[in-house]
Amino acid sequence: EIVMTQSPATLSVSPGERATLSCRASQSVSSNLAWYQQKPGQAPRLLIYGASTRATGIPARFSGSGSGTEFTLTISSLQSEDFAVYYCQQYNTWRTFGLGTKVEIK
Amino acid sequence: QLQLQESGPGLVRPSETLSLNCSVSGGSISSGLYYWAWIRQPPGKGLEWIGSTFYSGSTYYNPSLKSRATISVDKSKNRFSLRLNSVTAADTAVYYCSRHTSSMVQGVIMDIFDYWGQGTQVTVSS
Repeated sequence: EIVMTQSPATLSVSPGERATLSCRASQSVSSNLAWYQQKPGQAPRLLIYGASTRATGIPARFSGSGSGTEFTLTISSLQSEDFAVYYCQQYNTWRTFGLGTKVEIK
Repeated sequence: QLQLQESGPGLVRPSETLSLNCSVSGGSISSGLYYWAWIRQPPGKGLEWIGSTFYSGSTYYNPSLKSRATISVDKSKNRFSLRLNSVTAADTAVYYCSRHTSSMVQGVIMDIFDYWGQGTQVTVSS
């Protein structure tokens, strides 16, 4: 099973600042990686697939990068609605998720 | 707009079978364009893909569940279902159903969960 490790577990950021979230795969997943956002009491929402392609309706402040084993989700200027938990998911071999990074207000 | 809605018992006894349904509206489960999936989230933990099914009945599962899961499709009711047998406390989770899109668009592979139900809490306890 491919293990996805996300860091940090919690990220404290002020509104308007940049947030950088990391996701590492235990073996190469090529560019077969997605990112999701989950707010309390809600289902996850797809943000990014193919490591860097934004899903329909996702604002341009969300960007993804990386390939192989190292990936990054960047939120260029945090809005109040962006404070949430973010998960990465690989789909190169079966499908596994990371444990998430919580982005909280500093 | 596609909508998915989970339903089923919120409490299941240990060693028994968990059964959930997912009703799909705003789209046909038989379109042949998508898979349909179950994903769960234990309290305070991350997400775990359980398995996916196609309208034809073709299914595949997360190997970690060791054959305890069965996903089936009811085309007449536009819904799909999950059965998980021999449950233990470790199966306590919020269970989500989801549309599972697996395709290639402009050279980019997508194998993602793009529409989700609101989730249903299932507790395993005597």
